[in-house]
Amino acid sequence: DGGITQSPKYLFRKEGQNVTLSCEQNLNHDAMYWYRQDPGQGLRLIYYSQIVNDFQKGDIAEGYSVSREKKESFPLTVTSAQKNPTAFYLCASIAGQGPYEQYFGPGTRLTVT
Amino acid sequence: RKEVEQDPGPFNVPEGATVAFNCTYSNSASQSFFWYRQDCRKEPKLLMSVYSSGNEDGRFTAQLNRASQYISLLIRDSKLSDSATYLCVVNLWGANNLFFGTGTRLTVIP
Repeated sequence: DGGITQSPKYLFRKEGQNVTLSCEQNLNHDAMYWYRQDPGQGLRLIYYSQIVNDFQKGDIAEGYSVSREKKESFPLTVTSAQKNPTAFYLCASIAGQGPYEQYFGPGTRLTVT
Repeated sequence: RKEVEQDPGPFNVPEGATVAFNCTYSNSASQSFFWYRQDCRKEPKLLMSVYSSGNEDGRFTAQLNRASQYISLLIRDSKLSDSATYLCVVNLWGANNLFFGTGTRLTVIP
């Protein structure tokens, strides 16, 4: 089955620790995205990547880092510099050509205490 | 002004009712439009794309009004299982110009 996988589903960390969230897709999609969603809020774009070895900051990139070494993988690191890291993190992807329907992974719920 | 705006609701409707959501967008150059459904604590899932001529999928009808810059979603004969948050998404151009509304919450009551 083609799709996007994110792991783990739930993640708990102590304040001050970096944590890396996994995102893998086997849809052969070119573009991949990371979003953050807070309770009762919309999606906010953290980073996106349109091709391997290239990525761009979204609206709220501070305190986050990404890499795109393979087309299938786009891991997100939440660093200790992120002030409010507790949130629901969603990874998504799009094929390289229109109409740009976005497909989401199941998400990782990160709790930092 | 936000790129995409939606009435957050909540909309509470009885089973069998017809309910409509609107979503406005600010950029007239927007190219493609979508409605997503998001269940509580789950990822958004594509419900339907919105085409210029309007499109229907069972009980769901989506319309696009480019002149007034809004899209709509109509749900007929509401089911309990329709309870969710409905997100409006607008693509300006290309894979790096997607804008999400904050969502409209629907609760269908028995």
